[in-house]
Amino acid sequence: EAGVTQSPTHLIKTRGQQATLRCSPISGHTSVYWYQQALGLGLQFLLWYDEGEERNRGNFPPRFSGRQFPNYSSELNVNALELEDSALYLCASSWKFGVTQGAAYGYTFGSGTRLTVV
Amino acid sequence: QQQVKQSPQSLIVQKGGISIINCAYENTAFDYFPWYQQFPGKGPALLIAIRPDVSEKKEGRFTISFNKSAKQFSLHIMDSQPGDSATYFCAASGRTGGFKTIFGAGTRLFVKA
Repeated sequence: EAGVTQSPTHLIKTRGQQATLRCSPISGHTSVYWYQQALGLGLQFLLWYDEGEERNRGNFPPRFSGRQFPNYSSELNVNALELEDSALYLCASSWKFGVTQGAAYGYTFGSGTRLTVV
Repeated sequence: QQQVKQSPQSLIVQKGGISIINCAYENTAFDYFPWYQQFPGKGPALLIAIRPDVSEKKEGRFTISFNKSAKQFSLHIMDSQPGDSATYFCAASGRTGGFKTIFGAGTRLFVKA
């Protein structure tokens, strides 16, 4: 079974540019989560997508956005890049859960995209 | 209310010793408490998880102890090995906050050979 795949592995952008990061979840997983991990820091929740809709959003400015496609893959876009956006961006997927199921499950993370803004 | 506090920030243990990492949470609506292990250059990997209806869960050398009344849980790594050297994150999730997982700040473990 293929794991969560993220592309590209590394990305170097100039301040003010836009970055697009991609994620393919494990087959059968419908929920995709994005986290930012700045150097030496923990994981900060960015976005959660399920069934093509944004379900929850962390405390990040609107220039961080994304979407989920019908095949459940996801894209994270970061506009107007700033130096402090340099970080490892992690995508994770999980089984669908919600009010009807009422249970949380563990995530499977990809290896991340290392974004460097210069 | 959404925070998960993790300690220590770093830990050095002799090979064969016991590594203990502690976490505390505030929101009693959390109902799933996983631990993740992260090696350099890799994403975190789910190590072991517990739900609040049990006080302990053991998988091999890894044990979670859960104290619901104190809102604390801990990871014990028995017979610690150099290969266990990694960053460990505790986490909590549940219906509150829309099921997103809140992570602790992480503990960098180094096991000396």
